[in-house]
This record gives sequence, C-alpha cells and structure tokens, in this order.
Amino acid sequence: EDKVVQSPLSLVVHEGDTVTLNCSYEVTNFRSLLWYKQEKKAPTFLFMLTSSGIEKKSGRLSSILDKKELFSILNITATQTGDSAVYLCAVADSWGKLQFGAGTQVVVTP
Amino acid sequence: DVKVTQSSRYLVKRTGEKVFLECVQDMDHENMFWYRQDPGLGLRLIYFSYDVKMKEKGDIPEGYSVSREKKERFSLILESASTNQTSMYLCASSFAGGADEKLFFGSGTQLSVL
Repeated sequence: EDKVVQSPLSLVVHEGDTVTLNCSYEVTNFRSLLWYKQEKKAPTFLFMLTSSGIEKKSGRLSSILDKKELFSILNITATQTGDSAVYLCAVADSWGKLQFGAGTQVVVTP
Repeated sequence: DVKVTQSSRYLVKRTGEKVFLECVQDMDHENMFWYRQDPGLGLRLIYFSYDVKMKEKGDIPEGYSVSREKKERFSLILESASTNQTSMYLCASSFAGGADEKLFFGSGTQLSVL
C-alpha cells in the first residue's frame, strides 16, 4: 500500500531559527514529490521535485529529493512568523494522482 | 491566476440530508479532484475525474458520489449525510498530460453534520 509519512507532526521554533521537515514515501510508479504550504484553507504550491540531488530553492525555502532512500526534506532558514503553517508533502504516481502525508504543523514564535 | 471556487465556506447539515458540494475552475483543466482533510490524517482522495462525464474512485469513496457534466464543474454528493462525514472538503484541479501534476486548490468547505 502506498504511503507518505511526514515528520515531525508539529514543532515550535523562534523567529530566526532554521527548520527541517521530513517526508518519506513508499509509492508505486513514483513520478514526482510536491510540497505545499497551508495557512488558512487552500494549500498553495511550493515545489515539485522529480530528480534526486537537485535542490530547488525559493527565497528562504529549499527542498531536495533522494529517490534512492525515498525521502525529501524541506528547509526553511531565518524563519519568520509568516512561515507558521501546515506543510504538506505529496507524491504523484504515473497517473498524476497525488497521495498526501498528514502534514507538519510549524509554529514560529516572535 | 488560476481560480478554483468552492460554493460554500461553511455548511451545516443534518444526518440523512442529501448534500451537494460544488467546485468550479476557470483554467480549462482536464483533471479535477475531491479531498477531505481531517486532523492527523492529512488529505485523502475521495473521487477524481480526468474528463467530462468520467469519474474514478479515490481512496475513500464510500458514502460519496460525484458528477462532472461540464469540464469546469465537479460536484461532490453526499447521498445521506452522516456525522462521520463532518470534515473539511477541498476541491483541486490540474492540467492533464505533460509532467505537471501541480494541483490548484479551492479554499475548502467546512461541513458539519449534526
């Protein structure tokens, strides 16, 4: 059975800290791994990763995929209160169907 | 900007009622999806559709049905609502083919079944 596991489930950090979120997966016919940020209701897209070892970066956020060990990490450096959100990891199969993890709740305190 | 619009943000229904959740997207996407989101369980796929009048069961289709009569609209139907269907429902859409399975989400409908 396909599964996507995120860790930790939640964490609290101070502004300026660096955060590392983990996503491991077991998915048949893997095509890509995606990260989303969910602040209020609608998840918003952050990254899509298809190749191992190639870091994707957007401002203070970055992500990398390891297809051999079947995991990805999402890093947030110099965290701000606006980074407080649930971060979702999802894996797409060859049909483009996404399986989501349970999410990691990040709280950044001033 | 891609827009996925869900008809209601909050909905309160009684057990046994028939419930319709509507979703409309304006980017001519072929694919549309319905998820429910529960604390600790993440997003779980209920049904999806790759084309008009076409539907596929997701991981948790029991108690739900869907309708896709037009490309831009995908409806989720709870034939007889039950309290265990109280949840946040998220609609999403994406392009078909290529290598872009990025989903665009609506703002969600928080459904409470009493």
